[in-house]
Amino acid sequence: EAQVTQNPRYLITVTGKKLTVTCSQNMNHEYMSWYRQDPGLGLRQIYYSMNVEVTDKGDVPEGYKVSRKEKRNFPLILESPSPNQTSLYFCASSSLTDRIYEQYFGPGTRLTVT
Amino acid sequence: KQEVTQIPAALSVPEGENLVLNCSFTDSAIYNLQWFRQDPGKGLTSLLLIQSSQREQTSGRLNASLDKSSGRSTLYIAASQPGDSATYLCAVRPAGGGSYIPTFGRGTSLIVHP
Repeated sequence: EAQVTQNPRYLITVTGKKLTVTCSQNMNHEYMSWYRQDPGLGLRQIYYSMNVEVTDKGDVPEGYKVSRKEKRNFPLILESPSPNQTSLYFCASSSLTDRIYEQYFGPGTRLTVT
Repeated sequence: KQEVTQIPAALSVPEGENLVLNCSFTDSAIYNLQWFRQDPGKGLTSLLLIQSSQREQTSGRLNASLDKSSGRSTLYIAASQPGDSATYLCAVRPAGGGSYIPTFGRGTSLIVHP
């Protein structure tokens, strides 16, 4: 089954404790991205990647890091989480070769930073 | 900068009604527009994607239209059912300039009651 998976689905952590949220897709998509969703603000893109070793900032990259060492994986790293990073996070992927760019989303990771 | 507005923000209707959800965007230079459904606390499920050269797309009881020149898209839901209750989001992907960052609306929260 074609899908985007994220882990963990729920995470509660404390300020300053480094964490990584993993994202993996099995559709051989070139494009992957991370979003956060907050009430009243909608979905905002954090980082995106157009292929292996190619990443770029989205609209709200501050406090986040990403890496793309393999085509299928795109982890989101919070080096020193803060309470304002409490949010619902989504990973998404799409093909660039079909020129349709339809986005497929993961199930989400709910992060709470205390 | 592209802005995407969805009206109404919330809608409550009895079962069986035909519905129209609206999505408007300020910059008509778009590549495509994608409609999603999001259930509470869950990921986004793609419903329909309309390329900029298309006028409409249909899937079952759903029909999405696009009027690029006026900056509008509508999602028509025929014979609504309680299972249609969810938040519906539209996302606009820009054309040209090498940008792949889509802009999302904040969604229309739909409740269909029996």
